[in-house]
Amino acid sequence: AQSVTQPDIHITVSEGASLELRCNYSYGATPYLFWYVQSPGQGLQLLLKYFSGDTLVQGIKGFEAEFKRSQSSFNLRKPSVHWSDAAEYFCAVGARNQGGKLIFGQGTELSVKP
Amino acid sequence: GAVVSQHPSRVICKSGTSVKIECRSLDFQATTMFWYRQFPKQSLMLMATSNEGSKATYEQGVEKDKFLINHASLTLSTLTVTSAHPEDSSFYICSAPTGGGYTFGSGTRLTVV
Repeated sequence: AQSVTQPDIHITVSEGASLELRCNYSYGATPYLFWYVQSPGQGLQLLLKYFSGDTLVQGIKGFEAEFKRSQSSFNLRKPSVHWSDAAEYFCAVGARNQGGKLIFGQGTELSVKP
Repeated sequence: GAVVSQHPSRVICKSGTSVKIECRSLDFQATTMFWYRQFPKQSLMLMATSNEGSKATYEQGVEKDKFLINHASLTLSTLTVTSAHPEDSSFYICSAPTGGGYTFGSGTRLTVV
């Protein structure tokens, strides 16, 4: 079955500290992978995506993610977190031959302490 | 960049009434629109896929007669929640494929009282 798992429901980091949000997927086809961020009551903003090629993907706001096929993972990282990064983060997977549907992980809520 | 304009952002309705949510693609044509529902503190669940000029495809467990989707033009897709009940209270978000990815609307918070 196709699924996306974000093991951490809630993470708290200090401002300026590094961040890694985990994402594991189970998908039969070659996946397209996405990370989105959602502020309370808002829609989703794309941070980055991976379709093919270089497995280290750079995104907006200083985020990056690395696709590791052997581990079925697509973890999101940021070297230094800012207070404005506090939000909900979603990992999603899709495939061209799946009609464009996205399957989302459960989300990880990030809190940033001063 | 591509924008999907979703309205209303927030709506409160009485139980038994119907509510229409609109998603408009600005500056691009959306032949496909995905409709998601998100319950508090939960992830987004795909409800249905609408294609311009054809019937929508609903995910398993989603009542097509309750959640009416219309995609009559390349720039407008609508979701109507008919005979709404408190359990339909949720955050509804639309999304259109754009530039190899997806553009999401800002969401509609529906509260049924």
